[in-house]
Amino acid sequence: SQKIEQNSEALNIQEGKTATLTCNYTNYSPAYLQWYRQDPGRGPVFLLLIRENEKEKRKERLKVTFDTTLKQSLFHITASQPADSATYLCARPSSGSARQLTFGSGTQLTVLP
Amino acid sequence: DVKVTQSSRYLVKRTGEKVFLECVQDMDHENMFWYRQDPGLGLRLIYFSYDVKMKEKGDIPEGYSVSREKKERFSLILESASTNQTSMYLCASVPMAIQETQYFGPGTRLLVL
Repeated sequence: SQKIEQNSEALNIQEGKTATLTCNYTNYSPAYLQWYRQDPGRGPVFLLLIRENEKEKRKERLKVTFDTTLKQSLFHITASQPADSATYLCARPSSGSARQLTFGSGTQLTVLP
Repeated sequence: DVKVTQSSRYLVKRTGEKVFLECVQDMDHENMFWYRQDPGLGLRLIYFSYDVKMKEKGDIPEGYSVSREKKERFSLILESASTNQTSMYLCASVPMAIQETQYFGPGTRLLVL
């Protein structure tokens, strides 16, 4: 089965620094990876999708990379702010269907003022 | 704007009760999903549906059933609630096109006593 792992359960970072979150996958490279943000007591909200043939994607202060050699995606938040504090989930298509996703367990980011 | 709503934010039930969790989306999406989310385990897929009256088992269907009588509504049923079903339940919908993001509801936090 396709596994996806987010190595850090929690990450604390000082305001203004760049936060870097890691997502590793097993077996074959997925066609794409997605990143979601989840606030406490809320459902996840989609942030970014990066395809297998894209090395990097940006959206405002967010940047995602996809390294098929390392089987890894990195999620960066530059100039981090306390409002960026949340749990961040990565997800890949499940083996059964491209419409199903397998999610990592998330990394809880805290940006300290 | 995209909207997925869930019938309750918080629910407290007793062991053995029949529990209905409802999810409604207003985006005319074909695909709908039910997940549960537990600390350290991430999101796990319970059931999903690609169309009205159609359902497929996810990774952890035991103890659950679903109903999709109308396109916009997807219900999760706990036939006889047990304490190990205490969890956060999240509904999501996705349009038919592949690689689209999942739109999540706010979640229902269920406590089974």
